[in-house]
Amino acid sequence: ETGVTQTPRHLVMGMTNKKSLKCEQHLGHNAMYWYKQSAKKPLELMFVYNFKEQTENNSVPSRFSPECPNSSHLFLHLHTLQPEDSALYLCASSQDSGRGRGYSPLHFGNGTRLTVT
Amino acid sequence: AQKITQTQPGMFVQEKEAVTLDCTYDTSDQSYGLFWYKQPSSGEMIFLIYQGSYDEQNATEGRYSLNFQKARKSANLVISASQLGDSAMYFCAMRENTGNQFYFGTGTSLTVIP
Repeated sequence: ETGVTQTPRHLVMGMTNKKSLKCEQHLGHNAMYWYKQSAKKPLELMFVYNFKEQTENNSVPSRFSPECPNSSHLFLHLHTLQPEDSALYLCASSQDSGRGRGYSPLHFGNGTRLTVT
Repeated sequence: AQKITQTQPGMFVQEKEAVTLDCTYDTSDQSYGLFWYKQPSSGEMIFLIYQGSYDEQNATEGRYSLNFQKARKSANLVISASQLGDSAMYFCAMRENTGNQFYFGTGTSLTVIP
């Protein structure tokens, strides 16, 4: 079982569809993230959950709706998306330890390649 | 201002040679962490190496080493003895003491030539 698992790997959806991306981490981490990766742009942070509580929402449009039912699972619900939302969506987790004890890296899933038609 | 700057969009290196990928960062925090990731064409982001701002020695992990120059705010990745499988995108990232965010650069595409 890999550390961070994302499903599906590929998704094609129309602008009127509703779909969900799923992420599961098996690393015992307490923080989970959604990132968007578009061509020729830096990774864009979308949402951060720490101990299931949302701590960051980076001005993401409401057509993206995150859900974190527990510290191992993270969902991204999608509805009425636009073609410019086509991108690679990466889920990641980390162990958010106290400051002064170093910084844990993000561990990423394989991503979901989303195409909006 | 960009938190992480990677000025080399593309790099080429001969197999078995060493290559340096540049990264500069911008922060006013005294405590922060620096990371390098590899992203092959398959898409997964693979963590390579970490350097803490208070670490006195440069980090090393196998063929990867991080040339950390704090005063210049640079954290260059050195890959020694390049292999064909090293061909990928490489991203530099930083986490500051404040907030939960990791900041990423735009990446460098490395191609290893046989």
